[in-house]
Amino acid sequence: NAGVTQTPKFQVLKTGQSMTLQCAQDMNHNSMYWYRQDPGMGLRLIYYSASEGTTDKGEVPNGYNVSRLNKREFSLRLESAAPSQTSVYFCASSEAEFYGYTFGSGTRLTVV
Amino acid sequence: AQSVSQHNHHVILSEAASLELGCNYSYGGTVNLFWYVQYPGQHLQLLLKYFSGDPLVKGIKGFEAEFIKSKFSFNLRKPSVQWSDTAEYFCAVNVLGGLTGGGNKLTFGTGTQLKVEL
Repeated sequence: NAGVTQTPKFQVLKTGQSMTLQCAQDMNHNSMYWYRQDPGMGLRLIYYSASEGTTDKGEVPNGYNVSRLNKREFSLRLESAAPSQTSVYFCASSEAEFYGYTFGSGTRLTVV
Repeated sequence: AQSVSQHNHHVILSEAASLELGCNYSYGGTVNLFWYVQYPGQHLQLLLKYFSGDPLVKGIKGFEAEFIKSKFSFNLRKPSVQWSDTAEYFCAVNVLGGLTGGGNKLTFGTGTQLKVEL
């Protein structure tokens, strides 16, 4: 089925390790997003890419970097993981404001 | 900045009971409104959305929501819940032109955990 694919689904990191979360969509959407979900806090926007070649900070960008590799792919990198980055990470894409988002299945990250 | 409030954090209902989940937003401009559902261990899925026109919108699985502009509200309803409706529900607001450089930012509420008991 068409949609948003995220890898990996689960990851455990030690403090200070780095990793990249991968996201790809096959719906030809222009915009892509990274959110983190924490209990009682809903979803918070980390970074977004309104179109290929552009990226911008969201509400909680500290400790993260992103790359919009092409129109399909938008990766999120943690350079030096911290326990505060333990969370569930969702990638999403959208075509226009009328259609909301299509979400990936999420990455559950634990930093110990 | 816009915000979204979901006042009910946890709701427990018996099967066949009626459901209403509250959602209020704080923005006076043009907005698009959404309800998403997240079943245990799964990603968020769109339940319904409002852009314009009839303020009563119907979504999947028997859910509906009413947009009341004067109250800045977009409450979710279902006449008779089922055990399979156990999930977390998120209200989201999209402010048109709300992101620098384009794109559309959805602002999410903190979610309501619904548990339906047999």
